[in-house]
Amino acid sequence: AQKITQTQPGMFVQEKEAVTLDCTYDTSDPSYGLFWYKQPSSGEMIFLIYQGSYDQQNATEGRYSLNFQKARKSANLVISASQLGDSAMYFCAMREGRRDTGRRALTFGSGTRLQVQP
Amino acid sequence: GAVVSQHPSWVICKSGTSVKIECRSLDFQATTMFWYRQFPKQSLMLMATSNEGSKATYEQGVEKDKFLINHASLTLSTLTVTSAHPEDSSFYICSAEGGQGYEQYFGPGTRLTVT
Repeated sequence: AQKITQTQPGMFVQEKEAVTLDCTYDTSDPSYGLFWYKQPSSGEMIFLIYQGSYDQQNATEGRYSLNFQKARKSANLVISASQLGDSAMYFCAMREGRRDTGRRALTFGSGTRLQVQP
Repeated sequence: GAVVSQHPSWVICKSGTSVKIECRSLDFQATTMFWYRQFPKQSLMLMATSNEGSKATYEQGVEKDKFLINHASLTLSTLTVTSAHPEDSSFYICSAEGGQGYEQYFGPGTRLTVT
């Protein structure tokens, strides 16, 4: 079974509008962390936002927010006020287990290519 | 934030030769580094976990004799692709954990082309 599922291979959004990128995950571990990364054409992985499984509130970082619905095992990324520079590949990732004892490598989803149109 | 560098950023080599890729944590110590591989239009796949002072842990299906990993210090891990073949052409990215934080810091990646 896929650990991380991103069902949108590609998304279009108009500049200045908000967009939601979907991510669902599968784990039986009660302790885990969820990440979103942006990968522009240059290839670098840019960290956007993190949500811990025990965090009570949804994470926010500037224009990025994470809609964390634990019961549904979803961790959607919301980008508000899209900009042309947001055009890139976006990956959802998960680390399972406790930070100090669990598997620390990340498992990535297949990604969503976002294109922001002027 | 913490910085991870990779060298070289791109390399072209002939089939049968070996290529070494370096991953350095510039301003923090990393006891553990991770090596990922990304084929065009695909996601990142973990190849191995590199632990300072001990042997690397390889993911299933990754040939340890082909992809040699050395983590000789707290700031440097190297990946050597031995006897490279065209199917090894890929984007190789390392990451490192720093301090007490949850974040993984990624290097800029190395694009390997084997002709």
